[in-house]
Amino acid sequence: SQQGEEDPQALSIQEGENATMNCSYKTSINNLQWYRQNSGRGLVHLILIRSNEREKHSGRLRVTLDTSKKSSSLLITASRAADTASYFCATDEGYSTLTFGKGTMLLVSP
Amino acid sequence: NAGVTQTPKFRVLKTGQSMTLLCAQDMNHEYMYWYRQDPGMGLRLIHYSVGEGTTAKGEVPDGYNVSRLKKQNFLLGLESAAPSQTSVYFCASNLFANTGELFFGEGSRLTVL
Repeated sequence: SQQGEEDPQALSIQEGENATMNCSYKTSINNLQWYRQNSGRGLVHLILIRSNEREKHSGRLRVTLDTSKKSSSLLITASRAADTASYFCATDEGYSTLTFGKGTMLLVSP
Repeated sequence: NAGVTQTPKFRVLKTGQSMTLLCAQDMNHEYMYWYRQDPGMGLRLIHYSVGEGTTAKGEVPDGYNVSRLKKQNFLLGLESAAPSQTSVYFCASNLFANTGELFFGEGSRLTVL
């Protein structure tokens, strides 16, 4: 069953605004990853945050992890139309697989 | 490098027909996975392999079989396709489990009539 649950399901913003999406999960994890999926394409890895990390940055991306609340957030700053995509969190629970959430659809309008 | 390549990209089947999806990776990755993606359901793991000659069941394995005869290839088979197997199938790989990112193929869209 799905481990991560993204919120909101859909998000619509203007170019230049920040986009924040959240992921909640149920069990303890080794790490949490965020992926992007453009329409009709495969998923692309964005960033990984380990369970002993609280915040991580990569370019315009900022990820936080709160293991006490079992939640993570992905912030995209200064959004661009090219950021329009679905974003998925995926949790590594220590087995050989990742468990994906249902995703957040982000629409960035010019 | 091609990365992860899936064939075919599109296929239409009739109920009861069989087919095989091929996933090939050229990154010498040990781990390979087959996921299906359905609207509103996210990605669900069908089967995976932790190395050549090994396979294991994921969350939704019923109706599918897999084989990993060569390290670079992971085949997903449907012996008797059903309309419920209409989906987009994604193959992914990584070097070792728990070491980071999965590399995904571009997907195979299967319609079962």
